Amino acid sequence: VHLVQSGAEVKKPGASVKVSCKASGYTFLIYGINWVRQAPGHGPEWMGWISPYSGHTNYAQNFQDRVTMTTDTSTSTAYMDLRSLTSDDTAIYYCARDSPGAGGVDFWGQGTLVSVSS
Amino acid sequence: DIVLTQTPLSSPVTLGQPASISCRSSQSLVNSDGNTYLSWLHQRPGQPPRLLIYQISNRFSGVPDRFSGSGAGTDFTLRISRVEAEDVGVYYCAQATHFPQTFGQGTKVEIK
Repeated sequence: VHLVQSGAEVKKPGASVKVSCKASGYTFLIYGINWVRQAPGHGPEWMGWISPYSGHTNYAQNFQDRVTMTTDTSTSTAYMDLRSLTSDDTAIYYCARDSPGAGGVDFWGQGTLVSVSS
Repeated sequence: DIVLTQTPLSSPVTLGQPASISCRSSQSLVNSDGNTYLSWLHQRPGQPPRLLIYQISNRFSGVPDRFSGSGAGTDFTLRISRVEAEDVGVYYCAQATHFPQTFGQGTKVEIK
């Protein structure tokens, strides 16, 4: 199982960022994809989940109004779009495969650093 | 949201000696299906977290048997029987019983 994410981004406050996560080594349709972020010096924070099979999403309340998660099943790629960025959104963003049998997530992408600064 | 409180926040350990980390939940983590979705993750500097233990005590694929998990309800423990140099980093407990998934604040394990 491999989850390979897009490269680091630098954004201005108020901008949007779109992070990609290309999956390989397993059947993409079967497992959900979670997005988790980690601010410098902090623990992980779960942002939401998408089912590649149905497109159904479930977002954490903190991000409900400004995040969109999508997938492209033809390329086994998941995307996370976060709008109206502020400096508080500076963090490493991870995609992580759902692990429904175990609960939570099992395999993680390498992370994408998003820096928001004027 | 469920709050997971880990103790200690920092744990200096001697190579070859045991280590133990506690995780306490603000609510019971027993799911309506009878399972308890409490897991432990390990994060080395500059790397993503890696799953170690799921459903309290099940070691994930490839995880050495020096790692073990125990507990029930709201109180859980991760034990390392003999700490090795590669075990340094930050350990997180995480719960997926209640929406949204939440993580503990982390325990940093370092070698004395």
